[in-house]
Formats: sequence, C-alpha cells, structure tokens
Amino acid sequence: DQQVKQNSPSLSVQEGRISILNCDYTNSMFDYFLWYKKYPAEGPTFLISISSIKDKNEDGRFTVFLNKSAKHLSLHIVPSQPGDSAVYFCAASERTGANNLFFGTGTRLTVIP
Amino acid sequence: DGGITQSPKYLFRKEGQNVTLSCEQNLNHDAMYWYRQDPGQGLRLIYYSQIVNDFQKGDIAEGYSVSREKKESFPLTVTSAQKNPTAFYLCATSGADQETQYFGPGTRLLVL
Repeated sequence: DQQVKQNSPSLSVQEGRISILNCDYTNSMFDYFLWYKKYPAEGPTFLISISSIKDKNEDGRFTVFLNKSAKHLSLHIVPSQPGDSAVYFCAASERTGANNLFFGTGTRLTVIP
Repeated sequence: DGGITQSPKYLFRKEGQNVTLSCEQNLNHDAMYWYRQDPGQGLRLIYYSQIVNDFQKGDIAEGYSVSREKKESFPLTVTSAQKNPTAFYLCATSGADQETQYFGPGTRLLVL
C-alpha cells in the first residue's frame, strides 16, 4: 500500500511562473518530509526538507509547505527555470532512528522556455 | 572529493547468475541503504545498515543479500532467486542525525 502519493505524474509550467508539486501521505506517524530532484539515469538529489513541528520551510526559490491535518505537503518553485525540469520525489519518514524513507511515485516537471 | 560511488554504471546478468553491485562512501556516514527504482514507480527499500556488521531487511529484500564489513562499503548481491532483477539500483547514506539521505549515481541492472 502506497503510504506516500503523488497523484500528478507530470506538470508543465512556463519559465518564470510558479511550479507547485503536491504530495499526500496516509501514515500519521510520519514526522519528517523531504523533496528530491532526479534527472534520468542519476541518483536523486536532496532539495529541501521539513519537520512536522513546522508548516513552512524556505530555501531560495524552493518552499515546502506542510499541512499536517490534511496530511498534505507541497513544493513551490518560484520562479521556475528550464533547469528545474526533472522528476521530483516526495519522501517521508518516522524519525525513529532507522529513518526509512517512503517515497512517492514522482512528478515529472517540465519548464517551458 | 567526498561522495558516494556506485559501480558499475551498467551491469548485465545472465539467467541463474549472482551479481554484486558496489557502493562506497567517504562521507563517514554510519547508515547506508539500498533502493530499487522501477519505471513509473518510487524508490523501494531493499536493505539498510545503521552500523558495521549489522543490517536489516527493507520492504523488498527477497532475492537480495548484503554485507557491511566496513563503514565505507555496503555491497548488494542480486541472487538468482530474484526473478525480476531488471531495475535501477540506488545506494544512499545518512549521517549522525539520520534525517536526510544522500544518493549515489545508481547502477542499471539488465538481464541478458
């Protein structure tokens, strides 16, 4: 059973506009969330994370929002650039020490110049 | 130059053959992980190790084996019992806080 879901397999956005990638989870024990960016035939690159004690974390053009009551998080990229075109994975974990990550199926973002 | 290296980049396996994927890190991270990615799917955990000489099964450990004799190395063996081994294999590590995992470049395994 998929505990982390990314229901949009793809998203296209014009350069300079905002990209919003969404992620939902079912396990209420998850308390740490991450976003990774992945290019074809490469390993995922860590982008940004958020702990459940916060509802927003910002790093440059990237902002992650967490809505615990809705079990939903989103990644905002502003402004979007062509180099942002990649697959974005949402991941979640229970911070129990083992810290196994549960990944969504990914959203392919295409930023159109 | 710190990082995670995986070799080879591509690996071919014949029917009934065991193959071993290498993962080496010089980040001094205690925890190491192996994931498998199939097309259109997220990453699924195969095995993980939090410390030398100790490892635990993940969600899809059947047909795989690992060892952790050194902190720097966490090789994954795909055995002949793994009936569908064709996938992209990713190794990851995490540091003392074990909050964020960092990934290697991956190995693509193909069956001849």
